[in-house]
Formats: sequence, structure tokens, C-alpha cells
Amino acid sequence: GAGVSQSPSNKVTEKGKDVELRCDPISGHTALYWYRQSLGQGLEFLIYFQGNSAPDKSGLPSDRFSAERTGGSVSTLTIQRTQQEDSAVYLCASSLDLYEQYFGPGTRLTVT
Amino acid sequence: AQSVAQPEDQVNVAEGNPLTVKCTYSVSGNPYLFWYVQYPNRGLQFLLKYITGDNLVKGSYGFEAEFNKSQTSFHLKKPSALVSDSALYFCAVSASRGFNKFYFGSGTKLNVKP
Repeated sequence: GAGVSQSPSNKVTEKGKDVELRCDPISGHTALYWYRQSLGQGLEFLIYFQGNSAPDKSGLPSDRFSAERTGGSVSTLTIQRTQQEDSAVYLCASSLDLYEQYFGPGTRLTVT
Repeated sequence: AQSVAQPEDQVNVAEGNPLTVKCTYSVSGNPYLFWYVQYPNRGLQFLLKYITGDNLVKGSYGFEAEFNKSQTSFHLKKPSALVSDSALYFCAVSASRGFNKFYFGSGTKLNVKP
């Protein structure tokens, strides 16, 4: 079956612009996670959605970052007024049982 | 605070030799522990998990990991390495209480040479 998909695969943007990153989770997976992977760093937790519960936003690095999940499926991560330090690979994962996460291929964001 | 440490940036082993990739953790309460692998140009893939029960857990591709509570470790092992095991390995932990946030280590690059 289809895995987690993310779009775009690559995004180059100018400093100060807003960007939207999209994640399509595996159908039926109730949990959805966003992570950021910087070069030489591990995965940094950003935000977590579980069903209809309020999302856990405790990992978002600043108020420039926001995310939503519509209809319990597709999620969009928005970064406003991008900065160069936002350059990273943004990974989305979904899970059915809260144990095994299925990761998408990621979106590589470059802020120039 | 929850955290994961992978003390080795890189591990080099010869094909056929046993391999160990180290992971230590810090978590409040009982830990849920995981290993993921990232092959070049591919997404992260789940390898194995420890939730409860037997301290030795077996996972995909012949990998296993041992949970050691006293040493707060969860080292990944394989008896005989393959060149195709060369990849980036991540350890992750979540606290059993408030289980919704995962903490990943910085990753260990495994190089298996023929």
C-alpha cells in the first residue's frame, strides 16, 4: 500500500518568505508527527497529532512555526518569515499503534 | 528531561564480524525504546522496539537490542554484519507516561567493509 508522502521534496526559498510543507499519512493512521533533521543532528520533535485531541505543540521552536491537520488526515507545516537556521529536512511520520512510526521521504528546505 | 545519547558518530566493522551500535537514554518513568535505520536516499525505517518483557528484543534484518535498566542502555547488535547494513542508525526513547513524544539520538553511521 501507499506509504507516507510529503511534498515538495525540495524547497528553496528566500529569507523572510513563508513556506508550506505537506504530509499525506498512511490511510487510517491516527497519529501524525513532524520532525526536523538538521545536518549532523538527530531528529528534533516538532509537533504531534493524535485523532481529535489537541496537538502537542511543545516542540515547535518559535511562533513562526505552526501546523494543522485537516479531517484527521493531511497535515500542513507552515513556517512564516523563514530564517536561514530553518534550513533542514522536515520529516513527517504516521502511526497506527503509537509504537512503530512510518516516515515519509522528507522535504529538504533551503533558505537563502 | 528525556534524552538519548549515541556516543559514536561512526562505527566501522568488517563484513562477517559482530557489530554493536551504542545508545543510552534518560527518561522519567519506564522507557519505551526504539531503533530506526536510514538508508541513503531513503526514509527512516523501524527496526525494533522494547516496551516491556524480555530484555532482548529481535527485529528486522537480523538485528537485536538489549535493554539494560541499570545501565540505562539499549545497544543495537548483530552477530554478523553485512555490507548492506551500512546506513545511519537512530535510537529513540519515549516515556511510558504521557506517551506521545519521541526523543531521537543524533545518529550513528555504520560502515561495513567487505
